[in-house]
Amino acid sequence: GAGVSQSPSNKVTEKGKDVELRCDPISGHTALYWYRQSLGQGLEFLIYFQGNSAPDKSGLPSDRFSAERTGGSVSTLTIQRTQQEDSAVYLCASRRTILTGELFFGEGSRLTVL
Amino acid sequence: QKEVEQNSGPLSVPEGAIASLNCTYSDRGSQSFFWYRQYSGKSPELIMSIYSNGDKEDGRFTAQLNKASQYVSLLIRDSQPSDSATYLCAVKGGGGADGLTFGKGTHLIIQP
Repeated sequence: GAGVSQSPSNKVTEKGKDVELRCDPISGHTALYWYRQSLGQGLEFLIYFQGNSAPDKSGLPSDRFSAERTGGSVSTLTIQRTQQEDSAVYLCASRRTILTGELFFGEGSRLTVL
Repeated sequence: QKEVEQNSGPLSVPEGAIASLNCTYSDRGSQSFFWYRQYSGKSPELIMSIYSNGDKEDGRFTAQLNKASQYVSLLIRDSQPSDSATYLCAVKGGGGADGLTFGKGTHLIIQP
């Protein structure tokens, strides 16, 4: 597609439920990144993919968070047993390769955990 | 741990004036620097990238880089109300295979 596409744009869930957030990167971009932005905070790195592999999972805040990428394209970020502190905007970004510096962001998925 | 520091603001500038946004970074080896603009409720949008010491101009925007002082700035000339947003400074590195490390952003308000 022309840009990075994320869904859902908004998700309200109850504490303890699982949620899945989806990202479809720019066509041809091999590197995909997930960030989290809490209210009034900067962007927090979560995980990145080069192709289908995730060499760096160091940013995932807990083992309730996981992510996968299939076919070198679409990625899914899963949060199990959601907590109120998980409420944030989850941003996906892609770039052509890990060598090119410019990241292009999707519009984000706003998660609210009640 | 790479760090990127910005004054959170708000920075208030009258319409038509020059807005000056500043950023410092901790890793002396950093080579690539970016400015993103983020409107409220929207995702970050790339404005400029800069890789070499000196100035880089693009329309009303000028990015300035001083690697010796570990300092990056963004100047916005002839500021418009539509420039009101949060400006994020980002440095390549620290976020997985040289992903970007972001500052918390400076909130800029252009007063009509």
